[in-house]
Amino acid sequence: SAVISQKPSRDICQRGTSLTIQCQVDSQVTMMFWYRQQPGQSLTLIATANQGSEATYESGFVIDKFPISRPNLTFSTLTVSNMSPEDSSIYLCSVPGAGSPYNEQFFGPGTRLTVL
Amino acid sequence: AQTVTQSQPEMSVQEAETVTLSCTYDTSENNYYLFWYKQPPSRQMILVIRQEAYKQQNATENRFSVNFQKAAKSFSLKISDSQLGDTAMYFCAFLTDSGTYKYIFGTGTRLKVLA
Repeated sequence: SAVISQKPSRDICQRGTSLTIQCQVDSQVTMMFWYRQQPGQSLTLIATANQGSEATYESGFVIDKFPISRPNLTFSTLTVSNMSPEDSSIYLCSVPGAGSPYNEQFFGPGTRLTVL
Repeated sequence: AQTVTQSQPEMSVQEAETVTLSCTYDTSENNYYLFWYKQPPSRQMILVIRQEAYKQQNATENRFSVNFQKAAKSFSLKISDSQLGDTAMYFCAFLTDSGTYKYIFGTGTRLKVLA
């Protein structure tokens, strides 16, 4: 299994500002994923972050809005830039399990973001 | 494109009873994986059960079992002897073996177990 922590756990921000969310894993992993979970809705993949390469963004998400860093195999950050109330969501990072990425993914506790 | 549909936004069940959560999906792939994840209130999401599409036998994990109907593209979760700790949001998820490792999640079913 993998133990994942995220900082901050929650934040309230003003529109137009930016917030950087940190994700720390207790083991080295090649792939990390960032998801958005809007209130009462499902999880939507924002991007896949591989160490040593640019993040791969899903349709509807762009690097200028959600820049991602992946400086090493245990850490990643997601920045939500120029925030608007529509960005109010829970943001989660996840990593595939050891052995096979098809076995399961482990999720962080999430960062609950409210934009006023 | 793959889609996952959970048609029951909310369900409730009495403690010790059995409940079934529905999930249907759409894909043109032949090899894939299906999952049920549980997200308890204010807690991290964890895996409940996993099914490989090429296996006909339904997966079971203690009180949790699935009814996997590949032709019908259906993947329901049965929880037996429901416990208060089963109260959570349950997400059905789909994953192809294409190498992208990209989950497609359903919209979730909020299950409440009543004492």
